[in-house]
Amino acid sequence: GQNIDQPTEMTATEGAIVQINCTYQTSGFNGLFWYQQHAGEAPTFLSYNVLDGLEEKGRFSSFLSRSKGYSYLLLKELQMKDSASYLCAVRPTYNFNKFYFGSGTKLNVKP
Amino acid sequence: DTAVSQTPKYLVTQMGNDKSIKCEQNLGHDTMYWYKQDSKKFLKIMFSYNNKELIINETVPNRFSPKSPDKAHLNLHINSLELGDSAVYFCASTPATNEKLFFGSGTQLSVL
Repeated sequence: GQNIDQPTEMTATEGAIVQINCTYQTSGFNGLFWYQQHAGEAPTFLSYNVLDGLEEKGRFSSFLSRSKGYSYLLLKELQMKDSASYLCAVRPTYNFNKFYFGSGTKLNVKP
Repeated sequence: DTAVSQTPKYLVTQMGNDKSIKCEQNLGHDTMYWYKQDSKKFLKIMFSYNNKELIINETVPNRFSPKSPDKAHLNLHINSLELGDSAVYFCASTPATNEKLFFGSGTQLSVL
């Protein structure tokens, strides 16, 4: 089965850096994904890690440690528009088409 | 616009009714999904089709019946609606590389 944990809610200040953690337990691992979801909207893809290490994409970076079952999403130079939920998802090896999501971390960015 | 589009956006209905949600993607993807997002924002996979063939059925009550007439369309029919079915239902698709899901804008279903 899959078990994915994220903090429920975080608050950070505009211009700051925030790290959103995700821990997972899965029977076979074939990729970890981060999605952003603004209130009332669809999730949109942010990043994908399948190997250990850091993937950087502009203000957003995602890190993966497969041995620790751990990932984080790092958001730099926070902007008000970054207020959203951030969903961590895992894809298992036994089914390439399955994506299991955590319950998401709601990020509040304040001025 | 290339996208995943689903209709309706909002659906309000009484317990016991039958309703359908439609989804279409013009991205040329072979795999389509239905996900359910509950009030706690937990996004749970329900079904997946690959080129019209059912490949994932995640222990969903048989009141839910997906149908894929072709690889660009995946509809969801729900019989005998219950209060617990109230949620946001998202359609999604993935390309063959399966690196990411493209979501539709969601259908907010409210069962009264």
